[in-house]
Amino acid sequence: KQEVTQIPAALSVPEGENLVLNCSFTDSAIYNLQWFRQDPGKGLTSLLLIQSSQREQTSGRLNASLDKSSGRSTLYIAASQPGDSATYLCAVGNQAGTALIFGKGTTLSVSS
Amino acid sequence: GAVVSQHPSRVICKSGTSVKIECRSLDFQATTMFWYRQFPKQSLMLMATSNEGSKATYEQGVEKDKFLINHASLTLSTLTVTSAHPEDSSFYICSAGQSATNEKLFFGSGTQLSVL
Repeated sequence: KQEVTQIPAALSVPEGENLVLNCSFTDSAIYNLQWFRQDPGKGLTSLLLIQSSQREQTSGRLNASLDKSSGRSTLYIAASQPGDSATYLCAVGNQAGTALIFGKGTTLSVSS
Repeated sequence: GAVVSQHPSRVICKSGTSVKIECRSLDFQATTMFWYRQFPKQSLMLMATSNEGSKATYEQGVEKDKFLINHASLTLSTLTVTSAHPEDSSFYICSAGQSATNEKLFFGSGTQLSVL
């Protein structure tokens, strides 16, 4: 059974710092991996989607990498801003057409 | 991108009443929709997979008679929490895929259910 783990559970950084969020999954035979942002009491905003054949994806200050063989993904946030404060969720799709399996998330707080 | 609309965003009800949550794909047809539940500081946990025109598939531990799912059209799935109790208080969120392969899933904005 696929399990997704995110470390750390919480992170506090000053504005401007570069940071890395980690995600690991137990079954490396995945279809894709997605990073989401969730604000308190709100739904999910998709940040980056990495297909199993890809190594990384970039969007603005965000860069996500995928190492299937080791079961790891990282989300890199450059020059963090207070507006980046949110919970970041990593989710794995095992097969096409199936639901995503989520980690518990990393709650990020960026202070000005 | 594709839009999934979920209503209501927040509902407060008395114990024993039933609550219906709607999930609509606004600009695409969704053969499959997924329903998740999220307790505070916990991950999103899959409750059931909803397929248009057929019975939903429930995850282990989810009571199908308590959480009724109807997916009568390609753009609408509903989740009804029957005889809700305080322990059902949670954040419920739906998602839908834009294609048969569900290469990318889109999520509704979620429903915060509070049962008094």
